[in-house]
Amino acid sequence: SQTIHQWPATLVQPVGSPLSLECTVEGTSNPNLYWYRQAAGRGLQLLFYSVGIGQISSEVPQNLSASRPQDRQFILSSKKLLLSDSGFYLCAWSVSFWGGNQPQHFGDGTRLSIL
Amino acid sequence: DAKTTQPPSMDCAEGRAANLPCNHSTISGNEYVYWYRQIHSQGPQYIIHGLKNNETNEMASLIITEDRKSSTLILPHATLRDTAVYYCIVIPGYSSASKIIFGSGTRLSIRP
Repeated sequence: SQTIHQWPATLVQPVGSPLSLECTVEGTSNPNLYWYRQAAGRGLQLLFYSVGIGQISSEVPQNLSASRPQDRQFILSSKKLLLSDSGFYLCAWSVSFWGGNQPQHFGDGTRLSIL
Repeated sequence: DAKTTQPPSMDCAEGRAANLPCNHSTISGNEYVYWYRQIHSQGPQYIIHGLKNNETNEMASLIITEDRKSSTLILPHATLRDTAVYYCIVIPGYSSASKIIFGSGTRLSIRP
């Protein structure tokens, strides 16, 4: 069966510090990968998605970036965090399949607090 | 993308069926109805999805009206662990990657 892992579960960082959140998927090949952010009391915001190694699409301009160095690895980064970057960051994966719709499956998330 | 409307909250007795409604009157022909839930402080969990036929899996049943303008998620025997916010969304089909946009959802409380 497929599993998705995100780490760390919680993170407290000072303003201006760098960020690296990692997500890995097991049990599937060539998945679509997604990074979302969920602010407190608000809905999901898609930040990035990837349909293959090295292929990153950005949904929202910001000081965050994403990379996919391996097929099942998705990394969210920032060089200098802002207070507004606080939130619940979720990684998700789905089967890459044209001609039908496939559900996205989410990790347990990383709760990021910026001080 | 079509928008959905759900009641803000519902409650149900433990062991009874929980029926969560969703309106999606502007749904288009190639959009799927999806249900997710989110337990406090956890990532969203996929429950079920369908296009026009009723669907059932180990978690729930999805009933879609014939005109596809509304649907009902049924949890057949609700337990305390089913307490969560339930999101009904519509997502275009024939897309390699689609973004999920949650609305306010329905906060389901299960009474012991």
